[in-house]
Amino acid sequence: DAKTTQPPSMDCAEGRAANLPCNHSTISGNEYVYWYRQIHSQGPQYIIHGLKNNETNEMASLIITEDRKSSTLILPHATLRDTAVYYCIASSGTASKLTFGTGTRLQVTL
Amino acid sequence: NAGVTQTPKFQVLKTGQSMTLQCAQDMNHEYMSWYRQDPGMGLRLIHYSVGAGITDQGEVPNGYNVSRSTTEDFPLRLLSAAPSQTSVYFCASNRRDRATGDTQYFGPGTRLTVL
Repeated sequence: DAKTTQPPSMDCAEGRAANLPCNHSTISGNEYVYWYRQIHSQGPQYIIHGLKNNETNEMASLIITEDRKSSTLILPHATLRDTAVYYCIASSGTASKLTFGTGTRLQVTL
Repeated sequence: NAGVTQTPKFQVLKTGQSMTLQCAQDMNHEYMSWYRQDPGMGLRLIHYSVGAGITDQGEVPNGYNVSRSTTEDFPLRLLSAAPSQTSVYFCASNRRDRATGDTQYFGPGTRLTVL
C-alpha cells in the first residue's frame, strides 16, 4: 500500500468546515483512498473512500485531486463530537491489510 | 446486529502467562483481522483471515497465534505474554467485495496489561 502523509494536528471551530489533507504521491492506479477516524480510545470508524471521483456521504465529502496524489476529507459542519484522530489510508482492497499511520488529531473547539 | 464483539474488555496478565482474546462478528463477513495499538501510535496488523480455515501473518505476528474454524469467530492467542505485548487489541471484519474492499468494522477493543 502507498504511504500517506498527514499533518499531526489541526484545530477547527465548531460549526465550521474541517478540511483534512492527505498526501499519497506514490498511490497506484488500483488503490483506493480510505478515511477512518478514532474517537478517544474506541475502535476506528469508517468514514468514506474513493478511487478517482469525489465522493459524499452523510458523514463527509472526499475530494481527490485529478492526479490522485492528494486528497482532502471535508467535514462540512464540525461538532465537538468530531474531535478524533483521522486516518488516511491507501489500499488496493484485496485483503484486510490496512496500514494505519499516526493520522491527524482534529480538535473541534467552541 | 451486534457487529464485532470482543471479550474481555480489560485483562491483566503476568509475564509468561497465556490467554486467548475472543472476537466474534455476526455480519457474515469473510475477512477478519487483529490489530494492536500502542500509546500514541497507529494500528498495526497482527494476523488476518480471508475465510474459515485460512489465516496469514500481518506486520507484527510474533508471539501470537490465530485460527479460524468458523466464519463468525477469530480468536487471538498469546502464547507466553511479555510486557512488550501491553497494548490495546482491536478485531475487525469486512466483506470481500471489490467495491467496499477495506470498509472494516472494528470492535471496541481489549486493553491488555502484561506485568
